Amino acid sequence: DTGVSQDPRHKITKRGQNVTFRCDPISEHNRLYWYRQTLGQGPEFLTYFQNEAQLEKSRLLSDRFSAERPKGSFSTLEIQRTEQGDSAMYLCASSFINSPLHFGNGTRLTVT
Amino acid sequence: DQQVKQNSPSLSVQEGRISILNCDYTNSMFDYFLWYKKYPAEGPTFLISISSIKDKNEDGRFTVFLNKSAKHLSLHIVPSQPGDSAVYFCAASAGNYGGSQGNLIFGKGTKLSVKP
Repeated sequence: DTGVSQDPRHKITKRGQNVTFRCDPISEHNRLYWYRQTLGQGPEFLTYFQNEAQLEKSRLLSDRFSAERPKGSFSTLEIQRTEQGDSAMYLCASSFINSPLHFGNGTRLTVT
Repeated sequence: DQQVKQNSPSLSVQEGRISILNCDYTNSMFDYFLWYKKYPAEGPTFLISISSIKDKNEDGRFTVFLNKSAKHLSLHIVPSQPGDSAVYFCAASAGNYGGSQGNLIFGKGTKLSVKP
């Protein structure tokens, strides 16, 4: 069990640029989740996949955000035309169905 | 509208004493509750959970109590150790880890400091 891996750990970008984050889940897990955490808040759900199917998206996930999980393995989260309000920690987690989520250490995005 | 509330931003206890962290929720559809611990620069780590069919679950030094009528749960850590110093998040789901919904609702967290 190598844990959930996220890349990069930190990303600084200018407003209006596109960014993409990668998440490698625990290999046996069939569910993969994306959460966002801002300062002083708990993690907020964005979306989740079961295998390669995206089953739910939060209303927080505007049309500038897109997530994919090709072949049910790793996942990417892309943010287009970034805004300063997108600055946050983006957390990926994975799990079996009906099991606790295992989180990665996150990607910290700063939009200047 | 916060569905999961942790009203104490911070808590300080002496090593060896009991730490009690509290959490309140408003959504009566929640049927599974979890506690996560988070160290700086790391992701949250699962600690302990409880189903709404139980009122207590114990794992070593950690015990979670659920009072459904009050929509309240608490995490007890006995004895507290300096290594327990972290931010603790309460989370809830509807449908057993969100079996059909897939998402957890988190509180804002309580920062626990255990002093030697």
